[in-house]
Amino acid sequence: AQSVAQPEDQVNVAEGNPLTVKCTYSVSGNPYLFWYVQYPNRGLQFLLKYITGDNLVKGSYGFEAEFNKSQTSFHLKKPSALVSDSALYFCAVRPPLDSWGKFQFGAGTQVVVTP
Amino acid sequence: GAGVSQSPRYKVTKRGQDVALRCDPISGHVSLYWYRQALGQGPEFLTYFNYEAQQDKSGLPNDRFSAERPEGSISTLTIQRTEQRDSAMYRCASSSGTSGRIETQYFGPGTRLLVL
Repeated sequence: AQSVAQPEDQVNVAEGNPLTVKCTYSVSGNPYLFWYVQYPNRGLQFLLKYITGDNLVKGSYGFEAEFNKSQTSFHLKKPSALVSDSALYFCAVRPPLDSWGKFQFGAGTQVVVTP
Repeated sequence: GAGVSQSPRYKVTKRGQDVALRCDPISGHVSLYWYRQALGQGPEFLTYFNYEAQQDKSGLPNDRFSAERPEGSISTLTIQRTEQRDSAMYRCASSSGTSGRIETQYFGPGTRLLVL
């Protein structure tokens, strides 16, 4: 069975410092990996995805993520965090052999960026 | 519309009542998904449609939950005889349906359901 883990419930970082949000997965075959962000009282917003090709994926708002097959990880990164990046971040995986509909989401990581 | 919309945004109901939650996907999007998100958890898949056909309903927790999309656009998720454990955020998402498993799902703001 597939699973997604976000080992940190919360990440605290000072504005201007690098931000990393961790995600590891367990699936059969090569997964499709996604990151979404949830701001208060709003829906989930797509940030980026890895399908195939270059392991470093660039997405919206200056975020990027690195796919590491050997470590089964897909950590989200931003070189210089902003206060406005404070939100709830979700990693999701779609196993390639599974139903089209089944995104498996992690439990989420709350990011707090302090001025 | 420009994005996925859901209504109502908030619903408070008494245990035993039926509720209907509506999702209006992005115009032209073929695929529509329903998720349930408990507090402190990630969204959990419930069901999904391609056009009007329900392709996968394996995530529906029991037979009190049902969904339809009769004309391949707007969808309704119905919960009959609600129970307190049904309280959650219910999210809808849509995708274009043209790129298979690699395509992005776009989410609506959700309906927060509270069963008293």
